[in-house]
Amino acid sequence: KAGVTQTPRYLIKTRGQQVTLSCSPISGHRSVSWYQQTPGQGLQFLFEYFSETQRNKGNFPGRFSGRQFSNSRSEMNVSTLELGDSALYLCASSLAKLKDTEAFFGQGTRLTVV
Amino acid sequence: DAKTTQPTSMDCAEGRAANLPCNHSTISGNEYVYWYRQIHSQGPQYIIHGLKNNETNEMASLIITEDRKSSTLILPHATLRDTAVYYCIVRWAGTASKLTFGTGTRLQVTL
Repeated sequence: KAGVTQTPRYLIKTRGQQVTLSCSPISGHRSVSWYQQTPGQGLQFLFEYFSETQRNKGNFPGRFSGRQFSNSRSEMNVSTLELGDSALYLCASSLAKLKDTEAFFGQGTRLTVV
Repeated sequence: DAKTTQPTSMDCAEGRAANLPCNHSTISGNEYVYWYRQIHSQGPQYIIHGLKNNETNEMASLIITEDRKSSTLILPHATLRDTAVYYCIVRWAGTASKLTFGTGTRLQVTL
């Protein structure tokens, strides 16, 4: 079956702009999580969406937001981009059962802010 | 989620077993041990997970000590393609979608 698909793979934006990243989860997966990876901070959890509702949120400013659609596809938005937002943004999907289950990651979107 | 401690880096000769340790001394009874790896600039890849029993799949084996305070990921016959950063994560079953990644172990497999 198809894996987690993230688009675009690469993006270059200017400071102050906003950006929208997209994630299509594995078919049947209802939970989508977003992570930011930078050399300095490593992999950090941004937020999780389940059934179109934000279920968990990491410690990021309000400029980072997301949403999930009825088909479980998710988007994340970063407004007023800063140089420090340059990172690899990863999306993961899971079945979100209340027992052991794994998260599957996409290849990520590499965002460069100039 | 419980904190984990892993060595920063390890080397392994190709064809030999790679044994990656992880310390999770504050693990609680309902927390699982998960292993992921990340090959350069790709998304993390799930490897294996376990609660208290040893587990094996086509990629690796997971050995969890009886007191569950530490575990070892074993790649039985490491290849150059196993060169990656390996993350040990301890989490409660209900937080499948909120993973706390540490710094991981950078495994270098050499000829």
